[in-house]
Amino acid sequence: EPEVTQTPSHQVTQMGQEVILRCVPISNHLYFYWYRQILGQKVEFLVSFYNNEISEKSEIFDDQFSVERPDGSNFTLKIRSTKLEDSAMYFCASSGTTLGYGYTFGSGTRLTVV
Amino acid sequence: QQQVKQSPQSLIVQKGGISIINCAYENTAFDYFPWYQQFPGKGPALLIAIRPDVSEKKEGRFTISFNKSAKQFSLHIMDSQPGDSATYFCAAGYSSASKIIFGSGTRLSIRP
Repeated sequence: EPEVTQTPSHQVTQMGQEVILRCVPISNHLYFYWYRQILGQKVEFLVSFYNNEISEKSEIFDDQFSVERPDGSNFTLKIRSTKLEDSAMYFCASSGTTLGYGYTFGSGTRLTVV
Repeated sequence: QQQVKQSPQSLIVQKGGISIINCAYENTAFDYFPWYQQFPGKGPALLIAIRPDVSEKKEGRFTISFNKSAKQFSLHIMDSQPGDSATYFCAAGYSSASKIIFGSGTRLSIRP
């Protein structure tokens, strides 16, 4: 069964440092997403990406965040200057439609900011 | 108005029993209601989904009941098994947009 692959599985970074979280979506999917889950809390939408541009973003997704699809297969989330409150599980997802049906999530990257 | 409220926060059910998780929403523009199952260390996985033009959808032991007038929907797991122990999230979305809004999650434990 096709999978969404995320790397690394766990990243520890110092406050103020830049981090890049990487994702390889399912190959024939067209819509890409990042969500995050702070420990023990609900899954929160960050951003959606289609046709090489952001289609929607949440209030959480401020100027410190950016997304990119640099080579047609990878999909990255960059946090420019990490804060303690950025510590969370970050999930990448991809979909063949806009309806959420067929959303496939990766296993996530646990980001710890110290 | 974007919120999806989920209860209970945690649930313990005996093996073979029925697990019931409830969700409520406010925004009547939502027209897609999925349930996700999440095991520790894994991402959420789509379990079952419903649209508001039907009142019930069943897939195996999993059933969604949908009450449009009350703006509520629920997940029923029949003959609950230890392997069903996981965190369950309800969610809601729009057919014209891409994001989905998650509920706060229910940690389900099935006792053998």
